[in-house]
Amino acid sequence: ELKVEQNPLFLSMQEGKNYTIYCNYSTTSDRLYWYRQDPGKSLESLFVLLSNGAVKQEGRLMASLDTKARLSTLHITAAVHDLSATYFCAVGWTISVNTGNQFYFGTGTSLTVIP
Amino acid sequence: GAVVSQHPSWVICKSGTSVKIECRSLDFQATTMFWYRQFPKQSLMLMATSNEGSKATYEQGVEKDKFLINHASLTLSTLTVTSAHPEDSSFYICSARGTSLSYNEQFFGPGTRLTVL
Repeated sequence: ELKVEQNPLFLSMQEGKNYTIYCNYSTTSDRLYWYRQDPGKSLESLFVLLSNGAVKQEGRLMASLDTKARLSTLHITAAVHDLSATYFCAVGWTISVNTGNQFYFGTGTSLTVIP
Repeated sequence: GAVVSQHPSWVICKSGTSVKIECRSLDFQATTMFWYRQFPKQSLMLMATSNEGSKATYEQGVEKDKFLINHASLTLSTLTVTSAHPEDSSFYICSARGTSLSYNEQFFGPGTRLTVL
């Protein structure tokens, strides 16, 4: 069974603090995506990680991928209020030739940054 | 590049009616389109995968007779919720994947919020 789990589900943190969101998945994959979703909106692509050891950074966010551990992390540095949103990881799996690379989303992490 | 649109943005309908949602890739050709459903404060659940010109592949537990998917061209896929009921109220998001390597990833539409009264 394909499972993608995120931890924590809810996170409240003060501005200026650091924290890491974890994304674990159950089956081997080398395609891992991170998205941000604001209330009532669709998904905004943050990072695409395509190989073991991949690390990408954009502003206060940094994502990494360990395919052997089936784990990706999204690290937040010196959080600011504007980062408040829900963050999803998604794992890409190719189930069949017909469907190609399908995405299976994690449970989501709702982040609130308190001023 | 890689823009995906959805229409309508939101729709309110009476129970028992059918609702059609369109998903368009505006600046690339999408051989594959995906439909997701998201309930409030939950994750996105893949409903089905559609390839242009062929029948959609539905995920387990998704009623294909209730959620009709048509992918008639390389830029348009439609999702029709037939005989909608209040429990079908949700946020429906489509994504599209292109033919060239640059567009091999999925690009997401803005979503359609369906409310069934």
